[in-house]
Amino acid sequence: DVKVTQSSRYLVKRTGEKVFLECVQDMDHENMFWYRQDPGLGLRLIYFSYDVKMKEKGDIPEGYSVSREKKERFSLILESASTNQTSMYLCASSTDTDTQYFGPGTRLTVL
Amino acid sequence: QQQVKQSPQSLIVQKGGISIINCAYENTAFDYFPWYQQFPGKGPALLIAIRPDVSEKKEGRFTISFNKSAKQFSLHIMDSQPGDSATYFCAASAGYSTLTFGKGTMLLVSP
Repeated sequence: DVKVTQSSRYLVKRTGEKVFLECVQDMDHENMFWYRQDPGLGLRLIYFSYDVKMKEKGDIPEGYSVSREKKERFSLILESASTNQTSMYLCASSTDTDTQYFGPGTRLTVL
Repeated sequence: QQQVKQSPQSLIVQKGGISIINCAYENTAFDYFPWYQQFPGKGPALLIAIRPDVSEKKEGRFTISFNKSAKQFSLHIMDSQPGDSATYFCAASAGYSTLTFGKGTMLLVSP
């Protein structure tokens, strides 16, 4: 079974802090994705990566950056967390852009 | 802008009834239409998917109906069960592009 793990289920940070969200997949997938999920807004793509050290902006990249130094790991970085970044963050991976396998999510609260 | 419009936002169905969720799209280049199911506290998981070369795909109690001319597709859940209570997302993609998700439908199946 494909397994996508996220470093934290719940995270509370203060405004202005630098926040790292880690995602690891164990199926040698080329593609990895970061989404945020908000009530009534569905899943919105923040960044994605097709290969190591490659990154592409999604629909809402402002305020975020990413890092992919190893194939299995994709990190989402909030350089200076703000309250409007309070959300559920979901990581996903795939071998192609069809079936995406999601992690359990990290619920981030920025105070 | 690529969009997938999903309705209704929420749905309550009696046990044994039929649940129907609808999605509409505008981009005629879309050629892959998956549905994802998300239980509370979990990440979304692929439920069923269809490509436009067929008008219907059935897997157990779940059926996708696809109307290419109307640019609409829908999910039907036959004999709905309380265990089907979840949030359902439709999505679409074109070629090797990323998935565009609908905003989700919260389904509650009452016992």
